[in-house]
Amino acid sequence: QKEVEQDPGPLSVPEGAIVSLNCTYSNSAFQYFMWYRQYSRKGPELLMYTYSSGNKEDGRFTAQVDKSSKYISLFIRDSQPSDSATYLCAMSEQAGNNRKLIWGLGTSLAVNP
Amino acid sequence: DSGVTQTPKHLITATGQRVTLRCSPRSGDLSVYWYQQSLDQGLQFLIQYYNGEERAKGNILERFSAQQFPDLHSELNLSSLELGDSALYFCASSLSHRTDTQYFGPGTRLTVL
Repeated sequence: QKEVEQDPGPLSVPEGAIVSLNCTYSNSAFQYFMWYRQYSRKGPELLMYTYSSGNKEDGRFTAQVDKSSKYISLFIRDSQPSDSATYLCAMSEQAGNNRKLIWGLGTSLAVNP
Repeated sequence: DSGVTQTPKHLITATGQRVTLRCSPRSGDLSVYWYQQSLDQGLQFLIQYYNGEERAKGNILERFSAQQFPDLHSELNLSSLELGDSALYFCASSLSHRTDTQYFGPGTRLTVL
């Protein structure tokens, strides 16, 4: 079993829809949770960053962490065609010089006009 | 634009050959990370350098090596190339050895024929 599981999709939604993207993980030591967006043929870019449990909102994006269920989500409101990309979750344990990110495989999202 | 640069953009070579990928981190960033991305394996962490020293190792093959130079740019050397090494190779940088906020370059697409 992988440490981080993410449904690869593809997910196809109409413009304006609410999108829900999810990752589950097995390592209860993970404290830092990130969502990256990757457009085709580009490098991933950091979208959302959260520490421990709770919600964080940034514009149309909301990141949610449920540590008790080992489950994180990214919600996109009023989705736009420009949101079409692959969304990768990443997470890491707390502190330590050799801390490294563990990545999901990514979910491919297509928002249709 | 993340501020991380990678050269070359594309590289086509033959099995058994050796190539060098180059990365310049964002101005002020001391940490450099190398990743390999393929369709079936997703984003795989290879190795991290911080201020010239190796900080963490991931799934890096013995045929692969990296270094970070005094000016903080980094090179990833891939030798005895195999067909399965064909992938996107990304470099990322961060300010410190904390790995939770990384900025990715545009990647080098390596094709081994």
